[in-house]
Amino acid sequence: DAKTTQPTSMDCAEGRAANLPCNHSTISGNEYVYWYRQIHSQGPQYIIHGLKNNETNEMASLIITEDRKSSTLILPHATLRDTAVYYCIVRVRSGGSNYKLTFGKGTLLTVNP
Amino acid sequence: DVKVTQSSRYLVKRTGEKVFLECVQDMDHENMFWYRQDPGLGLRLIYFSYDVKMKEKGDIPEGYSVSREKKERFSLILESASTNQTSMYLCATQGRAVEQYFGPGTRLTVT
Repeated sequence: DAKTTQPTSMDCAEGRAANLPCNHSTISGNEYVYWYRQIHSQGPQYIIHGLKNNETNEMASLIITEDRKSSTLILPHATLRDTAVYYCIVRVRSGGSNYKLTFGKGTLLTVNP
Repeated sequence: DVKVTQSSRYLVKRTGEKVFLECVQDMDHENMFWYRQDPGLGLRLIYFSYDVKMKEKGDIPEGYSVSREKKERFSLILESASTNQTSMYLCATQGRAVEQYFGPGTRLTVT
């Protein structure tokens, strides 16, 4: 799986958009970008994934650059409950026998009132 | 919505005890996983199962075993608990796609 680089921490004001960047310059053509988050003392939660096109769901939007070397997760109207560690993971979608997800250190997003 | 439940949120056991952690899912997913999470080490895969009665070792299987007698249930067993097994244990499931869905976790303390 390609390596990802994320900032250690970020702050965001409640109600504003939170933009979380992720660099994955060694991504290969069949690797997807996945985002998970982990709220303190809970299990990780799947947020969104994408390959080339931008994606949006009820939780967030994912913007992937044209060269696919970086992406941004956008929480359009951050709330205090969005305070969590956000993980960007790059891997192939159909795993065969390799199902392991490798979680790095992620970005601690703190949403401030 | 996928629902993954774990038998306990908090558990305290003594050194040498046999410990059972249970995970149940309601989405008919084939694959189930046990991870442990420790500060500074991230999530590490202990065991996973891709079918009933099938299991494979993950990165850190020593000191653990697993059981999957039914598709919806995956148990992690600590044969003889030790203090270095104090950790947060997370169960996850996965269907045909790679997205994994996690339970709330069990914080195990071995004294």
